[in-house]
Amino acid sequence: EPEVTQTPSHQVTQMGQEVILRCVPISNHLYFYWYRQILGQKVEFLVSFYNNEISEKSEIFDDQFSVERPDGSNFTLKIRSTKLEDSAMYFCASSEIARTDTQYFGPGTRLTVL
Amino acid sequence: AQTVTQSQPEMSVQEAETVTLSCTYDTSESDYYLFWYKQPPSRQMILVIRQEAYKQQNATENRFSVNFQKAAKSFSLKISDSQLGDAAMYFCAYRSANSKLTFGKGITLSVRP
Repeated sequence: EPEVTQTPSHQVTQMGQEVILRCVPISNHLYFYWYRQILGQKVEFLVSFYNNEISEKSEIFDDQFSVERPDGSNFTLKIRSTKLEDSAMYFCASSEIARTDTQYFGPGTRLTVL
Repeated sequence: AQTVTQSQPEMSVQEAETVTLSCTYDTSESDYYLFWYKQPPSRQMILVIRQEAYKQQNATENRFSVNFQKAAKSFSLKISDSQLGDAAMYFCAYRSANSKLTFGKGITLSVRP
């Protein structure tokens, strides 16, 4: 069964450093998403992406964040200058059709900012 | 804005018994989708079941079923014949036409052997 994959599974970085989190969505999916979950809290939407453009973003997704689909398979989330409060689990998800389809999640990347 | 409320932080069930997890939501939209996701200790988000708001029939997936009450904006998950592997965090989620998911705070389910 196809699945969303994410790398790395765990990333440790120093405050102020840039990090790139990588995702490979399911191959025939067209809509991509990033969510994050701070430990012990609920999952929060960051951004959705379709046709090489951001479709929607939350207030969390400020200028420190960016997303990119650099090739036909990868979808990345970049945090330019990490802060302590960026420590969280970051989930990538994808769906075939935005309006009606289920979003399938990857296993997540745990980001620890020291 | 849509909100999803899971008021019970944790529940416990005896193995082989049935448990119901509650969820309510608030929306002014008529076309939307509801989901239950399971998050085991590995923290991966796994889809359990989904319900389309326009369908009156409650969704069922093996031992998992929902009680969808659209007028009451209630969407509970029933797990029958609970198994040890069902122990996890369960999140209720709402999605409207704009596609982003809005999650509740989650409920921790423990299964007693």
